[in-house]
Amino acid sequence: NAGVTQTPKFQVLKTGQSMTLQCAQDMNHEYMSWYRQDPGMGLRLIHYSVGAGITDQGEVPNGYNVSRSTTEDFPLRLLSAAPSQTSVYFCASSTPGQTQYFGPGTRLLVL
Amino acid sequence: AQTVTQSQPEMSVQEAETVTLSCTYDTSESDYYLFWYKQPPSRQMILVIRQEAYKQQNATENRFSVNFQKAAKSFSLKISDSQLGDAAMYFCAYRLTGNQFYFGTGTSLTVIP
Repeated sequence: NAGVTQTPKFQVLKTGQSMTLQCAQDMNHEYMSWYRQDPGMGLRLIHYSVGAGITDQGEVPNGYNVSRSTTEDFPLRLLSAAPSQTSVYFCASSTPGQTQYFGPGTRLLVL
Repeated sequence: AQTVTQSQPEMSVQEAETVTLSCTYDTSESDYYLFWYKQPPSRQMILVIRQEAYKQQNATENRFSVNFQKAAKSFSLKISDSQLGDAAMYFCAYRLTGNQFYFGTGTSLTVIP
């Protein structure tokens, strides 16, 4: 049972490049979320989903897109990377009313 | 807006002693959940303990317990018999009935041998 997996573990981008951070879970969880973690800021919610085909914005959605075509996958897309998006990104999943499980994180550096 | 405040950026405790980490939150909701997560240097987020707002009884998990004061919107974490492995960043989090989690800025706990 892999839980929540994220790829890549580390990525360097140039300003203006696009990329997709992958997130998958094998626990059949309905809820999935993306967070970014910056020094001194804790975790901030970017986008979340309560089921396949349903997504919504969190606290800091600008510059990011998501889609949820399957229960298992919840990719996060950066269309035009900016240095302000340098951060550690966490994906998480849960069932309603239950504990949220986190992936190992992706470190992103935008130059 | 939902906010979670951890007013102690850093704390330290002697091994085997007890330490309490503070957390306050602001919400107008009546149905919500509260969590404490631990993040060691590996960056993995690990659930320590959770509390449902409708439960008056404070949650406990082995050496970890909470003091939940709903009227005061306070949710502190007590770690008893502190161990070296408890050294980590601790985050308080609040979740609405949907899937929106809000995290505090964290408390870095050092355990002194």
